[in-house]
Amino acid sequence: KQEVTQIPAALSVPEGENLVLNCSFTDSAIYNLQWFRQDPGKGLTSLLLIQSSQREQTSGRLNASLDKSSGRSTLYIAASQPGDSATYLCAVSSWSGGYNKLIFGAGTRLAVHP
Amino acid sequence: DAGVIQSPRHEVTEMGQEVTLRCKPISGHDYLFWYRQTMMRGLELLIYFNNNVPIDDSGMPEDRFSAKMPNASFSTLKIQPSEPRDSAVYFCASSPKGDEQFFGPGTRLTVL
Repeated sequence: KQEVTQIPAALSVPEGENLVLNCSFTDSAIYNLQWFRQDPGKGLTSLLLIQSSQREQTSGRLNASLDKSSGRSTLYIAASQPGDSATYLCAVSSWSGGYNKLIFGAGTRLAVHP
Repeated sequence: DAGVIQSPRHEVTEMGQEVTLRCKPISGHDYLFWYRQTMMRGLELLIYFNNNVPIDDSGMPEDRFSAKMPNASFSTLKIQPSEPRDSAVYFCASSPKGDEQFFGPGTRLTVL
């Protein structure tokens, strides 16, 4: 059974720091891995999608890497800003029954203070 | 595109009442998913549809929960009768081909 773990559970940093959020999964047979952002009281916004054949994806100040063999992904946030404060969720997918079943981690709650 | 639309955004009801949550997926997306999010259990998949047909409902907690998708642009999740432990945020998501999923804003349900 696929299990997804995110470390740390919470993080508080001053503005400007470079951050690393970690995600690990127990079954390396994944189809892709997706990083989401969730603001309080809001839905999930997809940040980056890494296919299983890829090693990393970049979007602006965000960079996500994937090491399937070791069951790990990291999300790097460069030059953090207060607007980055949110919960970041990692989800891995396995192709099952004709679709990608997403298994979510519990999230990392990030607070960036001025 | 307006994205995935859910209604209502907030619902407060009393135990025993019927609750209906609604979702309009992104046009052209073949897959629709219903999730539930709680502090204790995180995000859990309840059911998903492919081309309006329910494919996997193994995550539906009890017979009190039912979901329908009468056409490609509309789905409902119904709880009857509702119980306090059903209180959660319910998300609808859609996907073009079953890969990347796009989430709606959610419905926060409180059952008193």
